[in-house]
Amino acid sequence: DIQMTQSPSSVSASVGDRVTITCRASQDISIWLAWYQQKPGIAPKLLITSASSLQTGVPSRFSGSGSATDFTLTINSLQPEDFATYYCQQANSVPLTFGGGTKVEIK
Amino acid sequence: EVQLLESGGGLVQPGGSLRLSCAASGFIFSSYAMTWVRQAPGKGLEWVSVIGGSGGSTYYADSVKGRFTISRDTSKHTVYLQMNSLRAEDTATYYCAKGGGLTPSNWFDSWGQGTLVTVSS
Repeated sequence: DIQMTQSPSSVSASVGDRVTITCRASQDISIWLAWYQQKPGIAPKLLITSASSLQTGVPSRFSGSGSATDFTLTINSLQPEDFATYYCQQANSVPLTFGGGTKVEIK
Repeated sequence: EVQLLESGGGLVQPGGSLRLSCAASGFIFSSYAMTWVRQAPGKGLEWVSVIGGSGGSTYYADSVKGRFTISRDTSKHTVYLQMNSLRAEDTATYYCAKGGGLTPSNWFDSWGQGTLVTVSS
């Protein structure tokens, strides 16, 4: 099974800051990686697929990069609505697996 | 507009059974894999099971293998999760989600609102 390791588990930031979240796969998954945003009590929302393709309607301050085993989600100029928990997920093979999540909190 | 509406959650005793349903609309149901993902209270996301668009391929997390069964009814545009031999650690909100394509290995581009399953005596 492919393990997905996210870091950090939480980050405190201010509005306007740049936040970077990393996700590492235990084996090569090419670009088969997605990123999700989840707010409390609400279902996750798909942000990015294929490691770097922004879903329609997702603000351009979000960006994804990486391939093989190392991936990054960057949020430029953090906005109040961006405070949430972010998850990566590998779609290379079953069993499908998520990272442990990164909570972006207000400093 | 894609809509996914889960139902069937509730309180069940350890060892009991529940069947979750997810009614789908707004897309060609048979063309997309469907999956169940769960989230225990205060915890992260855990993938549970996926079924391919054709219904011929099913996969399970080790934690539920042999106890849970995923299925789909194309005529009713509904996916099911039959959960047997439930344990306290199965307590979670269960989300139904639509895959990005036909194959089971996929990401999930639309999600239901979730249904809470509580396993307790």
